[in-house]
Amino acid sequence: AAGVIQSPRHLIKEKRETATLKCYPIPRHDTVYWYQQGPGQDPQFLISFYEKMQSDKGSIPDRFSAQQFSDYHSELNMSSLELGDSALYFCASSLTSPGQSHYGYTFGSGTRLTVV
Amino acid sequence: AQSVTQLDSHVSVSEGTPVLLRCNYSSSYSPSLFWYVQHPNKGLQLLLKYTSAATLVKGINGFEAEFKKSETSFHLTKPSAHMSDAAEYFCVVGGGNKLTFGTGTQLKVEL
Repeated sequence: AAGVIQSPRHLIKEKRETATLKCYPIPRHDTVYWYQQGPGQDPQFLISFYEKMQSDKGSIPDRFSAQQFSDYHSELNMSSLELGDSALYFCASSLTSPGQSHYGYTFGSGTRLTVV
Repeated sequence: AQSVTQLDSHVSVSEGTPVLLRCNYSSSYSPSLFWYVQHPNKGLQLLLKYTSAATLVKGINGFEAEFKKSETSFHLTKPSAHMSDAAEYFCVVGGGNKLTFGTGTQLKVEL
């Protein structure tokens, strides 16, 4: 079965550079979530999109932005990178029912970003 | 609002003995509850999920969890631990527009 695809798998950037992470949800899933997991930390919610509109916002820095496109894939754009941005970035997707229940939460394998 | 508490940050068991990882939750919604496992340097893998069907949920690799609404608990169990079960386990509550993760329980399996 198709899963959530994230690219790239690994990324190395220098301080103050920019990075773009991509997430391709499971077909027919309409909701995408981004999480950041620092070394030894539990995943922290960054932002989510439902039907191409931002649906919730967590602890996402102002230097980061994200969007969901017409084909439901999402991109997380990170500018002015800092050493502390080094982390594993997970994307998840789900199908949202009219009653706002979510089914089929599935995570991608993550993008490991290292800022040097 | 929702939250999840994993009561033990570390659990150590001997191979072949039962595993119990404890999780309590709170949620303003009818919650969806999940257990994910993460092996070192790997992504999150879904073990099992509860979405208002049967209260006893069976997952992969012999794990199961029981949803107890009166106790707001969703503890993860396995009858007999295997060395390959050593990993970090996250209890997760879903509702609204996001998932809320517990802080994780590190499971160590000894010979």
